[in-house]
Amino acid sequence: ETTLTQSPAFMSATPGDKVNISCKASQDIDDDVNWYQQKPGEAAIFIIQEATTLVPGIPPRFSGSGYGTDFTLTINNIESEDAAYYFCLQHDNFPYTFGQGTKLEIK
Amino acid sequence: QVQLQQWGAGLLKPSETLSLTCAVYGGSFSGYYWSWIRQPPGKGLEWIGEINHSGRTNYNPSLKSRATISVDTTKNQLSLKLSSVTAADTAVYYCARSTTTMVMDVWGKGTTVTVSS
Repeated sequence: ETTLTQSPAFMSATPGDKVNISCKASQDIDDDVNWYQQKPGEAAIFIIQEATTLVPGIPPRFSGSGYGTDFTLTINNIESEDAAYYFCLQHDNFPYTFGQGTKLEIK
Repeated sequence: QVQLQQWGAGLLKPSETLSLTCAVYGGSFSGYYWSWIRQPPGKGLEWIGEINHSGRTNYNPSLKSRATISVDTTKNQLSLKLSSVTAADTAVYYCARSTTTMVMDVWGKGTTVTVSS
């Protein structure tokens, strides 16, 4: 089973900041990583697929990078609406596994 | 735009069977895989398993002995049954859709299930 170690668990940012969220895999998983945004009481939103591809309709301030074992979600020019819970998913092998999540607060 | 609507019993006693349903609206049911995922309070997400429209399943080994995922293609619904629940099964349960090229691209809003005596 592939373990995803996501960090940080919590972060606080100011509008206009750039933030990075890390997701490290316990084994090589190619680019089989997705990123999601979730707000309380709402369905998770698919924002990055295959590590680097922005899902259509997602603002370009979101981007993803990485391959193999190290992956990063970057949010440029943070806006207040970006306050949410973010998590990564690996779908390279069964069972699919998730990072522990990052709660992003906007000051 | 496809939407996933979930429902099921929210409060169970230990040893009972959890039963949840996820209905697909505004989109096709066939040609996709449909997953169940859960998130215990204060913990990360856990993939339970998936099924396609023809009933082919994949399960997380950690839950395989207790979980059963099924589909009703006439109603565009998928279901999850989890037997012999304990307090450790207390979680928000989600359903999600996957395509051959996009895994878990659409999610339901979640259903809270609490197991307590």
